[in-house]
Amino acid sequence: DTAVSQTPKYLVTQMGNDKSIKCEQNLGHDTMYWYKQDSKKFLKIMFSYNNKELIINETVPNRFSPKSPDKAHLNLHINSLELGDSAVYFCASSHASLGEQYFGPGTRLTVT
Amino acid sequence: AQSVTQLDSHVSVSEGTPVLLRCNYSSSYSPSLFWYVQHPNKGLQLLLKYTSAATLVKGINGFEAEFKKSETSFHLTKPSAHMSDAAEYFCVVWPSNTGNQFYFGTGTSLTVIP
Repeated sequence: DTAVSQTPKYLVTQMGNDKSIKCEQNLGHDTMYWYKQDSKKFLKIMFSYNNKELIINETVPNRFSPKSPDKAHLNLHINSLELGDSAVYFCASSHASLGEQYFGPGTRLTVT
Repeated sequence: AQSVTQLDSHVSVSEGTPVLLRCNYSSSYSPSLFWYVQHPNKGLQLLLKYTSAATLVKGINGFEAEFKKSETSFHLTKPSAHMSDAAEYFCVVWPSNTGNQFYFGTGTSLTVIP
């Protein structure tokens, strides 16, 4: 069974469109994260949710909006996509008290 | 202030020779430290973690790391590199008081030469 899954794996879209990426974890973790990895492999945390509550909201354009319908899901919606949004987006989960994060396979977003 | 410095952006080793990936950290608190590996087009996978128990930590695939508080280092080593070790490696600091804030290094790309 896949521990942390993301859909879609690849997303190609045009500037100005709105798109969503879904993430689900079946590990029973209470905390979930979204990361952005750029072309130089730098990882930047975007958001973190603990028990469906937003606890980390880094400096991210407000075109990015996370939504956590329950502890097992954390979705990322992006409005008005820009070329600079092209990256790989990773979802991760953990127990808040343990720290080890389990990462999904990533969603490669290409904005043309 | 918290930070992580991976001292080498690229490391090349020959197959069968030792691997050393260097990581220094800065933390105001007693941190937990992690090493993750990312193979091409894959997500990150936990290699090992240090959480204030034994300072020499053994991980998966023959990797280990030693926490040295006096040097604020957490270097990753492996006695003998395999071709399958070629990947990107990330050192991560988790200060004990900052909840869910993790600090990632900029990564070290390991190349294994046959």
